[in-house]
Amino acid sequence: AQTVTQSQPEMSVQEAETVTLSCTYDTSENNYYLFWYKQPPSRQMILVIRQEAYKQQNATENRFSVNFQKAAKSFSLKISDSQLGDTAMYFCAFMKLKTSYDKVIFGPGTSLSVIP
Amino acid sequence: AAGVIQSPRHLIKEKRETATLKCYPIPRHDTVYWYQQGPGQDPQFLISFYEKMQSDKGSIPDRFSAQQFSDYHSELNMSSLELGDSALYFCASSRSGRNTGELFFGEGSRLTVL
Repeated sequence: AQTVTQSQPEMSVQEAETVTLSCTYDTSENNYYLFWYKQPPSRQMILVIRQEAYKQQNATENRFSVNFQKAAKSFSLKISDSQLGDTAMYFCAFMKLKTSYDKVIFGPGTSLSVIP
Repeated sequence: AAGVIQSPRHLIKEKRETATLKCYPIPRHDTVYWYQQGPGQDPQFLISFYEKMQSDKGSIPDRFSAQQFSDYHSELNMSSLELGDSALYFCASSRSGRNTGELFFGEGSRLTVL
């Protein structure tokens, strides 16, 4: 079974600063996706960034980037130039690639507060 | 762009009552997933459907059942409701074959059991 761990229940960052959220996972699969989802106070889950395990290059999306260490099973999210709208719960998530309809497994989440 | 539609957005029920939640996936999405998120918790996978057949099952109580219909919408039926069933229920959809891995989530249905 796959598990996702986020060791930081809460974090805060000053506006315009950089913050890194940690995530580790456990799996015996070789092909999988990793995600960071954001859940703002409005509660809808929004995809922030996605990484395919077979790609060595770290994914980036504007101010968001990841540090994917496959051997260490680590997948951290870096948010640069933090903005007030980044305040949200962030979930690290895993999806194996056995079938085209595999489920996503979420970690416990990190609550990020951006301070003006 | 069309998103995943869930109804109702809010629902209040008494213990031992029955509730039904509905999910309308994004057009041409053939896979639907149901998640339960308790207060301060991460979403827990309940069940999923692909092409109207159950594709995977998670921690769904026996009191709950679900199905996907011919138009791909899905319904989650919950009977003999308990206080612990109070949660935010998310539906997500995806399109098989594209396999970008992304699930598109609805805004959730908040169930309160009194």
